[in-house]
Amino acid sequence: DQQVKQNSPSLSVQEGRISILNCDYTNSMFDYFLWYKKYPAEGPTFLISISSIKDKNEDGRFTVFLNKSAKHLSLHIVPSQPGDSAVYFCAARDNYGQNFVFGPGTRLSVLP
Amino acid sequence: DAGITQSPRYKITETGRQVTLMCHQTWSHSYMFWYRQDLGHGLRLIYYSAAADITDKGEVPDGYVVSRSKTENFPLTLESATRSQTSVYFCASSVSTDTQYFGPGTRLTVL
Repeated sequence: DQQVKQNSPSLSVQEGRISILNCDYTNSMFDYFLWYKKYPAEGPTFLISISSIKDKNEDGRFTVFLNKSAKHLSLHIVPSQPGDSAVYFCAARDNYGQNFVFGPGTRLSVLP
Repeated sequence: DAGITQSPRYKITETGRQVTLMCHQTWSHSYMFWYRQDLGHGLRLIYYSAAADITDKGEVPDGYVVSRSKTENFPLTLESATRSQTSVYFCASSVSTDTQYFGPGTRLTVL
């Protein structure tokens, strides 16, 4: 059973609008969450992270929100740009600190 | 150039053959990881290493062997390749147990 879920395999958004990517997790021992972006034929690249002691982290156009009670996090991209088109992976780390679990990914398409 | 590299980028082999995928990083990061990416599963951790000569199993270690005699290298060996090991393999490194930096991946096909 997947511990990190991204229930939307794909998402299409108009350029300039907000993109919201969602992630749910089941393991309450996760204490650190990350989002990675992946272009075809490349490795994932780190985007933004959040510790379980926070509920929001912002970096430029990217904001991650964490709702611990719901075991849910989301990535907001505002405004969305065509270059944001990629697969986005949500990842979680357990509090032993060495085991990372990735979700299956959401493919974002930003339409010009 | 600094960074993390993987070789080969593409590999086709046959069932039962031994295959070694190489990973090299120039940052002197303590931690290194091997993942496989399969459709619908995201990235699954195969093995990781906290330092030279220290390795541990991840979620899907069966059929794989790793070693880490030097900090900068972390080879992954499939001792007897099976078709279910057809996948894209990513190596990653990190300073500590947070942000990981990924290599470009190796696409392995087992016939």
